[in-house]
Amino acid sequence: GQQVMQIPQYQHVQEGEDFTTYCNSSTTLSNIQWYKQRPGGHPVFLIQLVKSGEVKKQKRLTFQFGEAKKNSSLHITATQTTDVGTYFCAVTYNFNKFYFGSGTKLNVKP
Amino acid sequence: NAGVTQTPKFRVLKTGQSMTLLCAQDMNHEYMYWYRQDPGMGLRLIHYSVGEGTTAKGEVPDGYNVSRLKKQNFLLGLESAAPSQTSVYFCASLTDTQYFGPGTRLTVL
Repeated sequence: GQQVMQIPQYQHVQEGEDFTTYCNSSTTLSNIQWYKQRPGGHPVFLIQLVKSGEVKKQKRLTFQFGEAKKNSSLHITATQTTDVGTYFCAVTYNFNKFYFGSGTKLNVKP
Repeated sequence: NAGVTQTPKFRVLKTGQSMTLLCAQDMNHEYMYWYRQDPGMGLRLIHYSVGEGTTAKGEVPDGYNVSRLKKQNFLLGLESAAPSQTSVYFCASLTDTQYFGPGTRLTVL
């Protein structure tokens, strides 16, 4: 079946350091979404990328979609303790059927 | 506007028992999804529905059945629960983005 690889699995940073998680697919994607899940919570939508090479920003978060629409990244500048959680990418190949990455668990030390 | 709700929040079953998880959304969304999430893993799609009266299989459909008799409700059934079905189950509905319910934590002994 379709697979999406997400790395790293874990990231421990000091507050103020940057953080990046990556999603990679061997097949061209229709679109990619990013979600954040706090411990014990449910996934919460962050952003959707659709266009090749697209870059979107939300305050300290920067999302990129690769030119070939096979990879994406989420970058957080100057992490804060409120950024703690697991970040997931969710991809579609045929629209509206989603495959989630395994997630990157971010821990921020104050 | 309650968004997406799930009942129950927690459940413990014995092997072989059956149960139904209910997902309800009040946003008039056509698409609804059932996922399971196991420790340290992402969400895996069990079944989904693109509209009232329609259902389709996802990545891991075996051991589960679903029904979408009303647009606002999507039911997930386990006919004969197995310990491998111990997981957290999330329901979601979709417009441009997926809105997730709070989850159901199911333990099968």
